[in-house]
Amino acid sequence: QKEVEQNSGPLSVPEGAIASLNCTYSDRGSQSFFWYRQYSGKSPELIMSIYSNGDKEDGRFTAQLNKASQYVSLLIRDSQPSDSATYLCAVKTPRNFNKFYFGSGTKLNVKP
Amino acid sequence: EAQVTQNPRYLITVTGKKLTVTCSQNMNHEYMSWYRQDPGLGLRQIYYSMNVEVTDKGDVPEGYKVSRKEKRNFPLILESPSPNQTSLYFCASSSLLASSTDTQYFGPGTRLTVL
Repeated sequence: QKEVEQNSGPLSVPEGAIASLNCTYSDRGSQSFFWYRQYSGKSPELIMSIYSNGDKEDGRFTAQLNKASQYVSLLIRDSQPSDSATYLCAVKTPRNFNKFYFGSGTKLNVKP
Repeated sequence: EAQVTQNPRYLITVTGKKLTVTCSQNMNHEYMSWYRQDPGLGLRQIYYSMNVEVTDKGDVPEGYKVSRKEKRNFPLILESPSPNQTSLYFCASSSLLASSTDTQYFGPGTRLTVL
């Protein structure tokens, strides 16, 4: 079983819509969760981190964490074509807090 | 400018020919890490280092070596590359200060092809 699972997509949304990206993780004791954005041919960049149950908002981005159901999601409001990228979910587990586990990423296409 | 640099950016080599991919950061970060990225498998951690002379295995360390003799540098060594090590490699670094431990800064990537 993979530590982190994501739907590979592509997820297509029209410009201005809300994009919803989901991620599940296997280690119930995980406490640190991250969303990275990766443009084609580029390196990943951190856009959100979340540690507590509930929502965390940063501009058009909202991360949602539900530890009981072991999922973390990323909402992108007012999606723009420039948001088109692959979004990677990453988790740190208590088994080794120095290691990061990444999902395989969800490709998002925002259509003008 | 704060950055992580990797060299070379592209490399085509043959099976068994030793190679080194260099990684350097100018942010005085303690933590450095190497990942490989393959289609459908995402980013997988190869090795990481908590500080000078402190390294540990990630999830896919077989066939790789690393060293951390200086804080800013963390080279990845493939002693005898094989075709299954054809991949996109990323180096990353982060500070271990409590307020910023989890923000990893990634290098631009090295695309390696082993024939």
